[in-house]
Amino acid sequence: SQKIEQNSEALNIQEGKTATLTCNYTNYSPAYLQWYRQDPGRGPVFLLLIRENEKEKRKERLKVTFDTTLKQSLFHITASQPADSATYLCALGIYNQGGKLIFGQGTELSVKP
Amino acid sequence: DAGVTQSPTHLIKTRGQQVTLRCSPKSGHDTVSWYQQALGQGPQFIFQYYEEEERQRGNFPDRFSGHQFPNYSSELNVNALLLGDSALYLCASSLWAGGRPQHFGDGTRLSIL
Repeated sequence: SQKIEQNSEALNIQEGKTATLTCNYTNYSPAYLQWYRQDPGRGPVFLLLIRENEKEKRKERLKVTFDTTLKQSLFHITASQPADSATYLCALGIYNQGGKLIFGQGTELSVKP
Repeated sequence: DAGVTQSPTHLIKTRGQQVTLRCSPKSGHDTVSWYQQALGQGPQFIFQYYEEEERQRGNFPDRFSGHQFPNYSSELNVNALLLGDSALYLCASSLWAGGRPQHFGDGTRLSIL
């Protein structure tokens, strides 16, 4: 069956450290992958998009990698801050399925001061 | 510039009833997607509308139906409500071309008693 899996356990890190979140998928050939942030009681907010022919994307303290051989994306937040605490969602976009996104279950990140 | 707005924010219904949820997309966007998010899970794609037609549909029964109006706003209708329909319903807007970021509203929290 088709699956997208993110770190199921909550991730707790110290302020200033780098947080690394994992998104693994099976039986998909995604055209692109997106990462979103979701705060309690709010809708997801778009962070980064990476296409299948791209290895890495950066935006300020955020970095995402995409390995189509390993079927994995890694999402990094460097110099993490307590304000980065939230749930992070990865979502796959599939060829010929328009803008439909297939989401993972999310990873809850907690950054302690 | 208003983002995606959804109404109502909360709704309580009983089993067997019908419900209509509403969404106004971000200015300039022409595509609306609806997602269902159960507690602790990632959003699940319900369907997507473009040019007033349903373009993509996820694995949801026919009890879930929708509509898009000429001004790009959209409605989600759910008939014969079940307890399992209790969830956060998210609307997302984007441009039709695939691979674009989606902009989410903060959702409608639907509770079925």
